[in-house]
Amino acid sequence: GAVVSQHPSWVICKSGTSVKIECRSLDFQATTMFWYRQFPKQSLMLMATSNEGSKATYEQGVEKDKFLINHASLTLSTLTVTSAHPEDSSFYICSARPPGGRTGELFFGEGSRLTVL
Amino acid sequence: GQQLNQSPQSMFIQEGEDVSMNCTSSSIFNTWLWYKQDPGEGPVLLIALYKAGELTSNGRLTAQFGITRKDSFLNISASIPSDVGIYFCAGRTGITGTASKLTFGTGTRLQVTL
Repeated sequence: GAVVSQHPSWVICKSGTSVKIECRSLDFQATTMFWYRQFPKQSLMLMATSNEGSKATYEQGVEKDKFLINHASLTLSTLTVTSAHPEDSSFYICSARPPGGRTGELFFGEGSRLTVL
Repeated sequence: GQQLNQSPQSMFIQEGEDVSMNCTSSSIFNTWLWYKQDPGEGPVLLIALYKAGELTSNGRLTAQFGITRKDSFLNISASIPSDVGIYFCAGRTGITGTASKLTFGTGTRLQVTL
């Protein structure tokens, strides 16, 4: 299957700092990538849709100024958590759909666990 | 946001037993997907369903797209210890724009005992 990779896989930061998480499609180009957040023992909740070359589309309730998304190339999307606070601690997962694949077949990255102290 | 209801929430079974879990929605979906997530990892796609009534198998896994398009089930036959994990269903209504986003179920946590 298609490969989506995230970096870092885990990060610990101090409250008030910013953290950048990268999502790369390794063997295909993705005009659209999706960012999800997952709290412990809960399901995945879509945060935003990252669009190559244009602004991201955010889900209701997600602060676009706090979660900055940049999709500068067809293989890379980044999520920056700005001025992180302990409540932002979560598992962040990105996904992408290979072009030409059956619609709906999203492939996910390994996830990035953020802990804000 | 909207979530799909999965049942059971969790289950303990013995190795070799068959497992069945289902997912229901109050609204119609045009694609149903089943994913498995291991601790600390991203979800991995198991089965994709594209047509109402479709029954699809992947090894010991079988999934069906409900006729009403509001539900789906996943069966695992002859479970083995590596089946342990959280199983998520996901649904999608369309193929473009906001309709192409996936909505995830609440998850079924499976634990297999020897």
